[in-house]
Amino acid sequence: DQQVKQNSPSLSVQEGRISILNCDYTNSMFDYFLWYKKYPAEGPTFLISISSIKDKNEDGRFTVFLNKSAKHLSLHIVPSQPGDSAVYFCAALSGGATNKLIFGTGTLLAVQP
Amino acid sequence: ETGVTQTPRHLVMGMTNKKSLKCEQHLGHNAMYWYKQSAKKPLELMFVYSLEERVENNSVPSRFSPECPNSSHLFLHLHTLQPEDSALYLCASSRFRGFHSPLHFGNGTRLTVT
Repeated sequence: DQQVKQNSPSLSVQEGRISILNCDYTNSMFDYFLWYKKYPAEGPTFLISISSIKDKNEDGRFTVFLNKSAKHLSLHIVPSQPGDSAVYFCAALSGGATNKLIFGTGTLLAVQP
Repeated sequence: ETGVTQTPRHLVMGMTNKKSLKCEQHLGHNAMYWYKQSAKKPLELMFVYSLEERVENNSVPSRFSPECPNSSHLFLHLHTLQPEDSALYLCASSRFRGFHSPLHFGNGTRLTVT
């Protein structure tokens, strides 16, 4: 049973518009969440994270929102650029003593020029 | 340059072969990981090493054997694999195990078992 779910396998957005990638989780023990971006033929790279004590974290064009009651987080990219086209993975972590990340299946974002 | 280098990038092997995947990190990190990514599945954690000691083995079959000779190098020895083991194998490192240290991934080895 998947504890981290990304229900949209793909998303297409026009350049300059907002991209919203969604992620749901089932384990209420998760206390830290991360987004990774992956280009073809490359490994995932860390993008942004959020602790469960916050509901928003912003870094430039990227903002992650966390709704603990709904067990839902989202990544907003504004404005979207063609270079943002990649697979985005949501990941969740519980506890501080281990680094056992649970990943979602990813969402392929295509930003159209 | 990702700081984590994996070789080879692609590997095709028969079910009776023995091969090894290599990972090297230049980041001074203390923890290293092997992940498996199969088509349409989430990344699956296979092994974790912290300060060269294996601290986690996620019920991985014995035909996968990890080795961590020092904090910069990690190997995954493969023998008598099955076709269903074909996948992308990713190595990662982090400054520490736990405490929210982001993972730094290599570019992976695309393994095909024939």
